[in-house]
Amino acid sequence: AQSVAQPEDQVNVAEGNPLTVKCTYSVSGNPYLFWYVQYPNRGLQFLLKYITGDNLVKGSYGFEAEFNKSQTSFHLKKPSALVSDSALYFCAVRLNAGNNRKLIWGLGTSLAVNP
Amino acid sequence: DGGITQSPKYLFRKEGQNVTLSCEQNLNHDAMYWYRQDPGQGLRLIYYSQIVNDFQKGDIAEGYSVSREKKESFPLTVTSAQKNPTAFYLCASSGGLAGAPSTDTQYFGPGTRLTVL
Repeated sequence: AQSVAQPEDQVNVAEGNPLTVKCTYSVSGNPYLFWYVQYPNRGLQFLLKYITGDNLVKGSYGFEAEFNKSQTSFHLKKPSALVSDSALYFCAVRLNAGNNRKLIWGLGTSLAVNP
Repeated sequence: DGGITQSPKYLFRKEGQNVTLSCEQNLNHDAMYWYRQDPGQGLRLIYYSQIVNDFQKGDIAEGYSVSREKKESFPLTVTSAQKNPTAFYLCASSGGLAGAPSTDTQYFGPGTRLTVL
C-alpha cells in the first residue's frame, strides 16, 4: 500500500539548534513531495515542495528539505530553530500519474522549540 | 490562508441536524478538496472536485455530501448519517491545468471547527 510515514510524533529542540523533521514514503514511480505547517486552530500553510531537479529544496521561513530517492525520504530541516517554529508539520506525497491530484498525508509531527 | 475563506469558524449543532460548511476561493483554481482533521489522525480526504459540476468521493465520504456548481465554491454538508461529525474541517484548492506539477500545490482555508452537542 502507498503510504507516508512521519516516524516521530514529537520533536523537541532548543532554540538556535538545527532541527530535522523526518518523512519517508512508500509509493511507486517518481512522486511529488510536500511539506506543510499548521499552527493551532489554523489551516495548513505550504512550506516547500520537490517536483524534480536539485535534491535540496528551499522553502519559506528558512526551511529546506532534502529528497533522497534511494532512502525514499524527504526530511525537513532548518539550521537554527526559532520558538515561533513550534507547530505541527505534515509531509505529503502526490502520485505522479495521470490527473489524480490526491495527496497521501503523513500523520504529522509536533515540533516544540524550547527557549 | 491565501484566497480561500471558510465560514463559519466555529459551528455548534445538535445531533440529527444537517449542517453546511462554506468554502470559497478567489484563486481561479480548478480543483477543490475537503478534509477532516482529528487529533492524532492527520488529514483524511472527504470529497474532492477537479472541475465544476464534477466531484469524487475521498476516503471517508459516508455521511457527507458536496456540490460544485461554481468554480469558486465547494460547500460541504455534514448530514445526520455522519456518526461522529465533531472535528476540524479544512477546505483546500489547487489549480490550473490538470496534472501540471506547478499547479499541484494545495492551499488551505482557515478551517471550521464543528461541534455536535
